[in-house]
Amino acid sequence: SQQGEEDPQALSIQEGENATMNCSYKTSINNLQWYRQNSGRGLVHLILIRSNEREKHSGRLRVTLDTSKKSSSLLITASRAADTASYFCATPPRANAGGTSYGKLTFGQGTILTVHP
Amino acid sequence: SQTIHQWPATLVQPVGSPLSLECTVEGTSNPNLYWYRQAAGRGLQLLFYSVGIGQISSEVPQNLSASRPQDRQFILSSKKLLLSDSGFYLCAWSVFKDQPQHFGDGTRLSIL
Repeated sequence: SQQGEEDPQALSIQEGENATMNCSYKTSINNLQWYRQNSGRGLVHLILIRSNEREKHSGRLRVTLDTSKKSSSLLITASRAADTASYFCATPPRANAGGTSYGKLTFGQGTILTVHP
Repeated sequence: SQTIHQWPATLVQPVGSPLSLECTVEGTSNPNLYWYRQAAGRGLQLLFYSVGIGQISSEVPQNLSASRPQDRQFILSSKKLLLSDSGFYLCAWSVFKDQPQHFGDGTRLSIL
């Protein structure tokens, strides 16, 4: 099963509204990363939050992490039509996982965000 | 600055034909390299990753293989394609093991 699971699977909002996407994961992590993918393109890294951080900001993006609940959220404020994309969370296993699992990212299924102008 | 190149952008191949997709990275040395497959615009499945020349780890048993003949070159191959090999293939690199990954623009592979 997937390490990260995003919720909702799809989100449709109007320009100017805020968009919130959630991610849950199963195992202990060193950090959690959020990526964006425009249709037919590669993924672009947005933000990385470490396991000892609770909140991080980058422009209109706000990410929170609750390690006790094994969950994270991505908030996009004042959304724009150009924010229309799929958003994925991804987690590497903890450094002491050892073996071949060290360093690999596990991606969730993503949230498809549509922002209507 | 670092860049990643992946080609071709689209490819249509008949069942049973061979495959070679190439990925190169510029502007960095000894990157970790990854091949992913993405079905139907959803989650990514890690196929292979490499931490150095000639070092390949396979995640999913299948008829695909990967090679890293040079430090910044990663190749995905198949001797005989199956219909189930259709998908969107993405190459990525990272500086260190659990750090952000940087993706190419992908190859859309259609098997007829």
